Amino acid sequence: QVQLQESGPGLVKPSETLSLTCTVSGGSIDSYYWSWSRQPPGKGLEWIGYIYYSGTTNYNPSLNSRVTISVDTSKNQFSLRLSSVTAADTAFYYCAKRDNNGYYIYWGQGILVTVSS
Amino acid sequence: DIQLTQSPSFLSASVGDRVTITCRASQGISSYLAWYQQKPGKALKLLIYGASTLQSGVPSRFSGSGSGTEFTLTISSLQPEDFATYHCQQLHSYPLTFGGGTKVEIK
Repeated sequence: QVQLQESGPGLVKPSETLSLTCTVSGGSIDSYYWSWSRQPPGKGLEWIGYIYYSGTTNYNPSLNSRVTISVDTSKNQFSLRLSSVTAADTAFYYCAKRDNNGYYIYWGQGILVTVSS
Repeated sequence: DIQLTQSPSFLSASVGDRVTITCRASQGISSYLAWYQQKPGKALKLLIYGASTLQSGVPSRFSGSGSGTEFTLTISSLQPEDFATYHCQQLHSYPLTFGGGTKVEIK
């Protein structure tokens, strides 16, 4: 059973860079697509982007200039970096695995990141 | 971007009730729609994919229908463990988008 776990700082200062890691266990990161989404408290979900294990990425244009998703196959991890954060980036951040049918079956429990000085 | 409008955003129901949630897309998405259940502090759970295919392990009281721009999630007989928030997601085109969510609470 694949499990995903988000990790990283729960508090980031405005204008700094948010950095999160998703550790995959119970399966290899190879040959799959991996994504990040987020959800501001009390609001709806927003897709951030995905990365293929080979490094190909696709980002939401609303965040494109600030987001970078990378993968480390040796550690079975992938990461999210979001630069120049503001209070509007305060959210629960979720990582997920896209299954072979194109749908996201496996999700992490999420991590709350608060942007505040 | 394709906008998904879920309705209602909130509903109050009793155990045993039949519940229907609607998700409308701003343009046709064929059947590239998923439904998720979300409970506080837990991972999202995929219920339905391809608009109407039940994910393995999901109880048969959950069903999905629709294609094009209008979709529904139905819970035939609401159980105590079904009180949660439900989200639709389109996977027809990028950027992927979600509906605003429907919170199902106990009446």
